[in-house]
Amino acid sequence: GQSLEQPSEVTAVEGAIVQINCTYQTSGFYGLSWYQQHDGGAPTFLSYNGLDGLEETGRFSSFLSRSDSYGYLLLQELQMKDSASYFCAVGSNYQLIWGAGTKLIIKP
Amino acid sequence: GAGVSQSPSNKVTEKGKDVELRCDPISGHTALYWYRQSLGQGLEFLIYFQGNSAPDKSGLPSDRFSAERTGGSVSTLTIQRTQQEDSAVYLCASSITASGLHTGELFFGEGSRLTVL
Repeated sequence: GQSLEQPSEVTAVEGAIVQINCTYQTSGFYGLSWYQQHDGGAPTFLSYNGLDGLEETGRFSSFLSRSDSYGYLLLQELQMKDSASYFCAVGSNYQLIWGAGTKLIIKP
Repeated sequence: GAGVSQSPSNKVTEKGKDVELRCDPISGHTALYWYRQSLGQGLEFLIYFQGNSAPDKSGLPSDRFSAERTGGSVSTLTIQRTQQEDSAVYLCASSITASGLHTGELFFGEGSRLTVL
């Protein structure tokens, strides 16, 4: 079957750095994406890794290792507005396979 | 419009009634997806449309669920004889093309929150 594993919840302190891991097992692979979803809102695209390595976009970075079927999202200089759920998703064939999401709780 | 538009934003219905949910994707986006999300859960794939190809209906949970896409643009998700377990947020997303092959970016609407009493 196809599955993505990510922690259900992560807690961090404002201003700190947090890493959200994602491991996957899929029949096809075209890249790893990350989405952010605030409570009651729509998922919004954060980043995409098609090749191994680190992609940086402002305070957010995403990493992929295809040989390990593993990736992570790194959030730096955490702000209260970063409190949300974060989903990893793998492109497989013509659609995205989604993880169950990681709820990020930020404490002041 | 500039983004994916869904209607209604909220729908409360009685058990056994039929409901229709509408999605207007971003102009020019050929791929359209319907997902379902229960409170605090991940996204459950329902159905996928790509251009004029036959849709992938493999995620529809029962034959009470159906969807169509007219003219390669607007899509309607229909749930017949609604049940309480159908209560969820129904999200529509579009992308320029088959998302898994390119940048992995889907554009989501705000969703339709369905409550079945």
